[in-house]
Amino acid sequence: EIVLTQSPDFQSVTPKEKVTITCRASQSIGSSLHWYQQKPDQSPKLLIKYASQSISGVPSRFSGSGSGTDFTLTINSLEAEDAATYFCHQSSGLRSTFGGGTKVEI
Amino acid sequence: QVHLVESGGGLVNPGGFLRLSCAASGFTFSDYYMSWIRQAPGKGLEWVSYISDSGSTIHYADSVKGRFTISRDNAESALSLLMNSLRVEDTAVYYCARDIGIASAFDIWGQGTMVTVSS
Repeated sequence: EIVLTQSPDFQSVTPKEKVTITCRASQSIGSSLHWYQQKPDQSPKLLIKYASQSISGVPSRFSGSGSGTDFTLTINSLEAEDAATYFCHQSSGLRSTFGGGTKVEI
Repeated sequence: QVHLVESGGGLVNPGGFLRLSCAASGFTFSDYYMSWIRQAPGKGLEWVSYISDSGSTIHYADSVKGRFTISRDNAESALSLLMNSLRVEDTAVYYCARDIGIASAFDIWGQGTMVTVSS
């Protein structure tokens, strides 16, 4: 099983700050890494697919980068509505796995 | 509007069974791979199972293999998850989700249905 390790677990930030969340895979997964945002009592929402590809309707302040084993989600100029938990997800191979999540508090 | 609506959750004793359903609307269901993903209270996400668009390819997480069965009815635009030999650790919100490709990212999620396994 491919293990995804996210860091940090928790981040307290102020509006307009830049946020960087990392996700490290236990083995190379190419670009098969996706990012989701989950707000309290809501379902997850897809933010970034295949490491860096944008999703229609997602604000441009969200961006992703990386390949192989190391990936980054960046939120530029954080807004209050971005308070949420962020998960990475790998789809390499037959069985998906998720990272443990990063809670962003504003 | 693209929608996924889960149902069938509830309280069940350890060792019991439950069948979850997911009704899809607003898109051609038979064109998409589908998955079940769960989230234990206050915890992260765990992929459970996926089924190909035709239903011919199925995979399970090791934690549920042999106990859970995923299936689909493309004529009814419906996805199901039959859960047997339920354990306390299966307690979670269960989401159905649409795959954007073949075992890829999940672009549409249902609202989830809660399964509680407790005596």
